[in-house]
Amino acid sequence: AQRVTQPEKLLSVFKGAPVELKCNYSYSGSPELFWYVQYSRQRLQLLLRHISRESIKGFTADLNKGETSFHLKKPFAQEEDSAMYYCALSGPGGGADGLTFGKGTHLIIQP
Amino acid sequence: KAGVTQTPRYLIKTRGQQVTLSCSPISGHRSVSWYQQTPGQGLQFLFEYFSETQRNKGNFPGRFSGRQFSNSRSEMNVSTLELGDSALYLCASSLAGGRTGELFFGEGSRLTVL
Repeated sequence: AQRVTQPEKLLSVFKGAPVELKCNYSYSGSPELFWYVQYSRQRLQLLLRHISRESIKGFTADLNKGETSFHLKKPFAQEEDSAMYYCALSGPGGGADGLTFGKGTHLIIQP
Repeated sequence: KAGVTQTPRYLIKTRGQQVTLSCSPISGHRSVSWYQQTPGQGLQFLFEYFSETQRNKGNFPGRFSGRQFSNSRSEMNVSTLELGDSALYLCASSLAGGRTGELFFGEGSRLTVL
């Protein structure tokens, strides 16, 4: 069965420090992975997906199939990055399976 | 463009009752999926509908059901409510569903079962 693990429930870093939110997955096929974010009093929204290989709001994530990881990184944290971050994996089906989410990491950026 | 709209936002039911939640997707989106969010289990996939057909279902008992209408609006129903069904139920829409992963979420319906 597919699974997404985010080992840290809470991560607190100072403004300007590097941030790394960890995500590990178990999946037997070719994975598609995503990071979703929920800012305070806002809806859950897509931050980035591995197939896009893009940087959003300074965040990047690299899929490491050998380590089955998809860690989210940002070199210099900003206070507005404080939010809940969820790593998610897309199911095995060709077009219809739901996302499997990790339990989330609450990121707090201290001034 | 209006976002995903869920109604009602809050509701309280008692054990044994049933509940129906509604979701209006973003205009033009044909896929609607439902998730249950609880503090203990996190976000769990319930089911997805595309063009009025259920394409996939998560690991939930048959008490959880849904449907989608021709205008893409969706409803989910939970019968014979249990205390453990207390949760935030999130609806998400996307253009075509599938593995693109870009889901647009509603604010959720918070169900409390007493």
